[in-house]
Amino acid sequence: EVQLVESGGGLVQPGGSLRLSCAASGFTFSSYWIHWVRQAPGKGLVWVSRIRGDGGSTLYADSVKGRSTISRDNAKNTVYLEMNSLTADDTAVYYCARDFMGSIPDWGQGTLVTVSS
Amino acid sequence: DVVMTQSPLSLPVTLGQPASISCRSSQSLVHSDGNTYLNWFQQRPGQSPRRLIYKVSIRDSGVPDRFSGSGSGTDFTLKISRVEAEDVGVYYCMQGTQWAYTFGQGTKLEIK
Repeated sequence: EVQLVESGGGLVQPGGSLRLSCAASGFTFSSYWIHWVRQAPGKGLVWVSRIRGDGGSTLYADSVKGRSTISRDNAKNTVYLEMNSLTADDTAVYYCARDFMGSIPDWGQGTLVTVSS
Repeated sequence: DVVMTQSPLSLPVTLGQPASISCRSSQSLVHSDGNTYLNWFQQRPGQSPRRLIYKVSIRDSGVPDRFSGSGSGTDFTLKISRVEAEDVGVYYCMQGTQWAYTFGQGTKLEIK
C-alpha cells in the first residue's frame, strides 16, 4: 500500500523559513516523480513543485520560485520542501503526492503551515 | 501554464438526481504521445484529494460506476448519474499534459 506522510508544518513568523518532509513507503521510491500541492484555508488546490525520481530535475510554481528548494533522499525514501521568506500567502495545507503518467494517484494527509506573527 | 476553468463552482443537487461538472482548458490537452491527461479528483470535507478518473474517462479502482468522465481536446465533463449523500465535497479537474500541472478552481457539490 502506498503511503505518503508529511511532517514539518507549524506556526512560522513572516519572513521565516521551514522545511517540510514527505516520507514514502509501499512503492519503489526512486522511480517516481513527487509533487507538492498546497491548499490555502477554504481555497482550491495549487501545484507548488515537483522532483524527478533521481532528483535530477525540479520545477517550481512562480509563486514559490526563487525562495523554495525541493530535494529528495532516496536512501531515506523522503522528499523535502524548504521554503524561505514566508508570507501569509504561504499559509496552507501542504500535500505531497506521487506522480504516475500525467496524474496524481496517491496523496498524503497533508501538513498545515501557518505564517503569522 | 494551462488554465483550467470549471463550471459551475457551486452545484446543489437533489439526492438521486444527476449532476454534471464542466472543465475547459486554455489549450488542447492532447499530449504528443497521443494521450489526454485530464484527471478528476474528489475532496470530501476534511480529507485529502482522491483521484476518481484519469486519462479523461478511466475510473479508479473502487470508484462507483455512477461516476463517468468524457470529453476531448479542451472540453471535459464529469457526470454523476445519481447523486448520493457520500458524494458531497469539492471536485477538481487537473491537467497532467503539460508541466506544470494545473487544477480547476473546484466545484462544490452539496445536497439540496
